Amino acid sequence: NAGVTQTPKFQVLKTGQSMTLQCAQDMNHEYMSWYRQDPGMGLRLIHYSVGAGITDQGEVPNGYNVSRSTTEDFPLRLLSAAPSQTSVYFCASSRDRQRETQYFGPGTRLLVL
Amino acid sequence: AQSVTQLGSHVSVSEGALVLLRCNYSSSVPPYLFWYVQYPNQGLQLLLKYTTGATLVKGINGFEAEFKKSETSFHLTKPSAHMSDAAEYFCAVSGAGSARQLTFGSGTQLTVLP
Repeated sequence: NAGVTQTPKFQVLKTGQSMTLQCAQDMNHEYMSWYRQDPGMGLRLIHYSVGAGITDQGEVPNGYNVSRSTTEDFPLRLLSAAPSQTSVYFCASSRDRQRETQYFGPGTRLLVL
Repeated sequence: AQSVTQLGSHVSVSEGALVLLRCNYSSSVPPYLFWYVQYPNQGLQLLLKYTTGATLVKGINGFEAEFKKSETSFHLTKPSAHMSDAAEYFCAVSGAGSARQLTFGSGTQLTVLP
């Protein structure tokens, strides 16, 4: 099993550009989530999904969209990039949202100029 | 709302010394508690977790943590630090029987000195 994969590993954007961060898992997990990691702030939840076709907002959803058309894939879209979105983004999956281990991808480092 | 406080954003210990990383939580429902570790330029991986049962939980790489309800704490310990333990450690809490998501602390960077 590859686990959780994320692409790209690193991306530079200009303010106002859009892009999609890809996330895929091969563990048949129902629950998937996106976090951003900023220095001194831990991980903050952006969006999550409890199954195909079901998504919801987390703590910091503004400026981001998600969709979940299959169990395996959970892409994160930046609609119009801003410097405040410079961060490291992690995708995670688990069997449920509360008590099961979350498996993290290697992260995408995003720089918005 | 639930929250996690990790005391000390940076902790330094000598190789072979005791590692103690502190975590206090707040939750209005019985908590599930986790410790994750992040090595440089990698994602997070689970060290250990408490869901129910025994309050002393053993994890990978010789780490353990004790759930103390009266103190709302879940401190992480290791008797003897190794150079390979240098990493960032995150405590996290979620709420049993509710819709609460996993909430992470701000992290503690552990440095191990030779």
